[in-house]
Amino acid sequence: AQKVTQAQTEISVVEKEDVTLDCVYETRDTTYYLFWYKQPPSGELVFLIRRNSFDEQNEISGRYSWNFQKSTSSFNFTITASQVVDSAVYFCALLPYNNNDMRFGAGTRLTVKP
Amino acid sequence: DAGVIQSPRHEVTEMGQEVTLRCKPISGHDYLFWYRQTMMRGLELLIYFNNNVPIDDSGMPEDRFSAKMPNASFSTLKIQPSEPRDSAVYFCASRSTGVSGNTIYFGEGSWLTVV
Repeated sequence: AQKVTQAQTEISVVEKEDVTLDCVYETRDTTYYLFWYKQPPSGELVFLIRRNSFDEQNEISGRYSWNFQKSTSSFNFTITASQVVDSAVYFCALLPYNNNDMRFGAGTRLTVKP
Repeated sequence: DAGVIQSPRHEVTEMGQEVTLRCKPISGHDYLFWYRQTMMRGLELLIYFNNNVPIDDSGMPEDRFSAKMPNASFSTLKIQPSEPRDSAVYFCASRSTGVSGNTIYFGEGSWLTVV
């Protein structure tokens, strides 16, 4: 069975703080993809990153970075020097390689206060 | 490049009425998905198509829900008759199986309220 757990329901930080959003997943598949999506207050789902299970290199994109660790089945997302515009709900998701049923976590609502 | 386009963005309808949600996938994408987002159940897959053919509709909640994809650039999700518990955000998404495949891109969603 596929499962994604985002244990943090809500996080509130002050602007310029660093914040890490946790994601833990379960799967029996050996090949899979992991994703992060952002859902701002306007409601759309914005793709942020995709990671393949065979590539454990961490990735940095501007203020965003992702830490993928297969040993702990985690794919955490860090925002450095957070900004008010980062306020959104962030979803972690898992897509098995031979399956189109992407499973989402429950989401973490991030509020960045000025 | 245009993303996934959905219409309407917002719909308020009375119980018992027919609702039709529309979607235009990203050009060249051969998979199309319909998701529903609710507070109680989060994001869940309703149905997906590959090359316009429905592959898995096991997520469709009831016979009141139906989806079609008459061509590669258009899909509809229909609810008839609608009920208040159908109130949710409905997302259409698409992906390709090309080099940049395996990333599912979502539309802006259709916010449905059934009163």
